[in-house]
Amino acid sequence: DTEVTQTPKHLVMGMTNKKSLKCEQHMGHRAMYWYKQKAKKPPELMFVYSYEKLSINESVPSRFSPECPNSSLLNLHLHALQPEDSALYLCASSQSPATRSSYNEQFFGPGTRLTVL
Amino acid sequence: GDSVTQMEGPVTLSEEAFLTINCTYTATGYPSLFWYVQYPGEGLQLLLKATKADDKGSNKGFEATYRKETTSFHLEKGSVQVSDSAVYFCALTTISGGYNKLIFGAGTRLAVHP
Repeated sequence: DTEVTQTPKHLVMGMTNKKSLKCEQHMGHRAMYWYKQKAKKPPELMFVYSYEKLSINESVPSRFSPECPNSSLLNLHLHALQPEDSALYLCASSQSPATRSSYNEQFFGPGTRLTVL
Repeated sequence: GDSVTQMEGPVTLSEEAFLTINCTYTATGYPSLFWYVQYPGEGLQLLLKATKADDKGSNKGFEATYRKETTSFHLEKGSVQVSDSAVYFCALTTISGGYNKLIFGAGTRLAVHP
């Protein structure tokens, strides 16, 4: 299984709602990532989890709260979002979080398209 | 810091035309290089990769060669199809804060017409 799955595919929420995005992989990867992608732009890294621990937070507002319950699952909890947070949210995973002597290919999921009203 | 520069799009071609999308990079050390493709409404798929100088990555008729002397990784295809219409991202991996990070170029939109 070389797939990263994400649910839901689409999400519409109001600014007062609380919702969660889910990401799952069964490749035995120990690094998982959240990216945000605005239209016609490349993905921007939000968070990196390494061995289920938060390793990198790219100065993301606290209204985004990541969680890694186990090595296969990654969640992104959303609360009090703003309309400018509307974007495609991509999850990715890689075999291990950091090596200096070799590449570390990231596998991406299909994304959740989020609209904040 | 490390960065990737891609040619600006959109690139518009007729079916069976030759494709080149230019990509150059700036990096310390020896990054690995990637081309990702994003079809409309979808996530990113790895198209091809190269991990050291002079490596050639290839997949689905696409090719790119890791050129250290010119710091380039240009994407080529001999005969494009309508189904190749997508956004193509050149990327490299870099070590930042002790972890591998992907640095993306701005992306190049390709439109292929019958």
